[in-house]
Amino acid sequence: ETGVTQTPRHLVMGMTNKKSLKCEQHLGHNAMYWYKQSAKKPLELMFVYNFKEQTENNSVPSRFSPECPNSSHLFLHLHTLQPEDSALYLCASSQEPPPGGGEQYFGPGTRLTVT
Amino acid sequence: LAKTTQPISMDSYEGQEVNITCSHNNIATNDYITWYQQFPSQGPRFIIQGYKTKVTNEVASLFIPADRKSSTLSLPRVSLSDTAVYYCLVENAGNMLTFGGGTRLMVKP
Repeated sequence: ETGVTQTPRHLVMGMTNKKSLKCEQHLGHNAMYWYKQSAKKPLELMFVYNFKEQTENNSVPSRFSPECPNSSHLFLHLHTLQPEDSALYLCASSQEPPPGGGEQYFGPGTRLTVT
Repeated sequence: LAKTTQPISMDSYEGQEVNITCSHNNIATNDYITWYQQFPSQGPRFIIQGYKTKVTNEVASLFIPADRKSSTLSLPRVSLSDTAVYYCLVENAGNMLTFGGGTRLMVKP
């Protein structure tokens, strides 16, 4: 247990569906992150939130929409995804934002399959 | 933006010291270097972070030469449970986080 939880753990959705991934941390951290991990690519940073403000959008397509209603919760809203979006989506948090903000605590991830 | 490169895989035996080197030629002045470990079906787990010279904690050491264009994660006396994928990460002041492709370490008995 890292203190970062993600739901659901597995998700199968069609290309026309709308779904949301949820991340929650009770570590009192100020920064939260969304990552995408595909089989043949390195971990890719998608979004960074610092004190609920989005500070990084790493050229992510608009079909991915993040939301950070408070410092403990982070959502990733998904709509009209493509099969190549199938991947493991990881959430993380850290006490301070990068660089040198210390360790990131990762959740277990949501395994997303787009059919 | 720093591009990070690390070996795809390494083999070792129990009790040996393992050194995994990451190349980050374009590292910027304020960038930090961090290493993570990942087991199957889990998120990555922090190992160590450094800026320059040498950092040591209870599980690993991180060596960073003066030019900072590479870094070496050193795992002393590995065990079978250290079999995992190890990622090098360069953290940029502009919130750009660049992970290497990961090094799959196999520890054999």
